[in-house]
Amino acid sequence: DAGITQSPRHKVTETGTPVTLRCHQTENHRYMYWYRQDPGHGLRLIHYSYGVKDTDKGEVSDGYSVSRSKTEDFLLTLESATSSQTSVYFCAIREGRGFTVHFGNGTRLTVT
Amino acid sequence: DQQVKQNSPSLSVQEGRISILNCDYTNSMFDYFLWYKKYPAEGPTFLISISSIKDKNEDGRFTVFLNKSAKHLSLHIVPSQPGDSAVYFCAASDPNYGGSQGNLIFGKGTKLSVKP
Repeated sequence: DAGITQSPRHKVTETGTPVTLRCHQTENHRYMYWYRQDPGHGLRLIHYSYGVKDTDKGEVSDGYSVSRSKTEDFLLTLESATSSQTSVYFCAIREGRGFTVHFGNGTRLTVT
Repeated sequence: DQQVKQNSPSLSVQEGRISILNCDYTNSMFDYFLWYKKYPAEGPTFLISISSIKDKNEDGRFTVFLNKSAKHLSLHIVPSQPGDSAVYFCAASDPNYGGSQGNLIFGKGTKLSVKP
C-alpha cells in the first residue's frame, strides 16, 4: 500500500458540468501523476507534478487541469465534462529517486 | 504513434505451464522497463522491472528478459497459477520526458487467463 487515496471512487456526472477528482498521499512523495485507462488504450498520462505548484502536461491533457497546493494532494479538474472523458482515472506516486510508480485504486467517472 | 506495444490483447494458458507476455518498443532511449499487473476494480500493481543495462531479472516465478537489439522484452511466469489471471501492462521510462527518472509510457495491456 503506497498510501494513496482517491476520491470519489465512483462518480456520474452530466456533460458540461465541472468535476474535480482528488488524490491524497500520506508519504510525502514529490512526484504525482494522473493517468486514465480506457479499453484499447492502456494507461495514458494526463498531467503530472514534480512538487508543490509544479505541474506539467502529459500526452492527453486537453480538457483537464491540475493543481497541487500541498505535497499530499493532487487535484484533477475537468472544467466542462464531455462523454469522451468517461474513463477510469488513476492517481500514482513515484517513490523517491526510483523508477517505480505506485497507483491508487482509481476513480470510475461516467459522463452522461 | 505507439512507443510501447503489446501486440497480444489476450493470452490463455493452462495452470502449471509457462506464460510468456511480450512487449516491443520503438525508442532506444528508454532506460528502464517495468511490468504491472492489474485486477478488475483495482489499480495496477508493480510486478518486476529491469534496467536497460541488464538482459534478465528474476523474482520468484517472474522473470523479465530484455533484448535491446530487438527492442523487445518479455515476462515469463513459471509455473502459471489461476491467481495470475489479470491484465499485464508493460511500461518504459523515457529519460527525456518528465524529469530525471522519466515518465512511464505504457502499452495497452495483455489479458492473461490461467485455466485450472
